[in-house]
Amino acid sequence: QQQVKQSPQSLIVQKGGISIINCAYENTAFDYFPWYQQFPGKGPALLIAIRPDVSEKKEGRFTISFNKSAKQFSLHIMDSQPGDSATYFCAASRGSNYKLTFGKGTLLTVNP
Amino acid sequence: DGGITQSPKYLFRKEGQNVTLSCEQNLNHDAMYWYRQDPGQGLRLIYYSQIVNDFQKGDIAEGYSVSREKKESFPLTVTSAQKNPTAFYLCASSIGTGTPETQYFGPGTRLLVL
Repeated sequence: QQQVKQSPQSLIVQKGGISIINCAYENTAFDYFPWYQQFPGKGPALLIAIRPDVSEKKEGRFTISFNKSAKQFSLHIMDSQPGDSATYFCAASRGSNYKLTFGKGTLLTVNP
Repeated sequence: DGGITQSPKYLFRKEGQNVTLSCEQNLNHDAMYWYRQDPGQGLRLIYYSQIVNDFQKGDIAEGYSVSREKKESFPLTVTSAQKNPTAFYLCASSIGTGTPETQYFGPGTRLLVL
């Protein structure tokens, strides 16, 4: 049972463009939604996270949009750069539960 | 320099052999985790520990074992019962306050079967 569905699996964007990655979840008890960035051969690192009491959170070129009624959240990367080329994972967890449930990842390639 | 270290970077396992992956953190975090990453599968939780001398099974614990004798260490043993062990293994830690929080990941160990 896949509780967090991520799309697309891969994405190619030109430098300066907008990259958009979407995630949908099933468990309405989830209340923490982080995005992780992973470069090849490295461990993931937290990029940005949101809680359902806000609909949007922005940090630099990265924005999370959250739609609680649709049970969806998305990552927008503005002015995408070749250095943003990586795999991005969305995740979700609930309350005091320590477990993060991850999406399957999106491989982003930003062409120069 | 605080962080999470994993060793070795690459590990080779022979048929029927148990192997142990090391994970050490100096972040003074209470909670530690082990994930398995396969291509196109995301990260799947193997085991996690919220406090010393306590740990719980994750989603894919079969064929794996862990111990948590020290706060800073959470080794993972891949036993011979794990029939498909080839994967990238990631250790993570978090403060462990009981509320949603950032998990910090180590650099990973890639396990290959000879």
